[in-house]
Amino acid sequence: GQNIDQPTEMTATEGAIVQINCTYQTSGFNGLFWYQQHAGEAPTFLSYNVLDGLEEKGRFSSFLSRSKGYSYLLLKELQMKDSASYLCAAPPTLDSNYQLIWGAGTKLIIKP
Amino acid sequence: NAGVTQTPKFQVLKTGQSMTLQCAQDMNHEYMSWYRQDPGMGLRLIHYSVGAGITDQGEVPNGYNVSRSTTEDFPLRLLSAAPSQTSVYFCASSLSGSTDTQYFGPGTRLTVL
Repeated sequence: GQNIDQPTEMTATEGAIVQINCTYQTSGFNGLFWYQQHAGEAPTFLSYNVLDGLEEKGRFSSFLSRSKGYSYLLLKELQMKDSASYLCAAPPTLDSNYQLIWGAGTKLIIKP
Repeated sequence: NAGVTQTPKFQVLKTGQSMTLQCAQDMNHEYMSWYRQDPGMGLRLIHYSVGAGITDQGEVPNGYNVSRSTTEDFPLRLLSAAPSQTSVYFCASSLSGSTDTQYFGPGTRLTVL
């Protein structure tokens, strides 16, 4: 079946680095998304990976390994405003242009 | 640009009542979708549309109807509300499909008593 797994909650310290993992099982692969969602707000786009490797965008980087069905989001120099849920999502099949399956999200708590 | 707007922000219904959640976007996006978000679960797709006059079912369509008469608007109708429909509802839009960046509305928090 198609499924996305990510840890429910993580805690990190302000200024530190944290890695949020996501494993996926899909019928074929057509990219993987990361979205950020602050409590009580809408999700906002962070990254989209199609090829293997690390993509860096400022303090945030996203990594993909298609052979392992694995991705992670790396957040550096953590700030209090990074406290949010991080959602991983992917199309369920190779030709799914209109649907995504979503992980339940990882709630990241930043402590001073 | 306002982006994606949704109304109302909060709503309380009694079992059996009907209502319409409104969604509009001003980015000229072809693809629009409705999700529900429940605690401990990922976003689940209810219905989606790939253009005016074209709609299709997502993962959890039962109890909901949609229509798309214009590019801008994509209302979601609850036909006869049930407590199981208590959730947060998000509308989203993107250029042409779910593999494009989706822009989400602020959400509607619905409680069915």
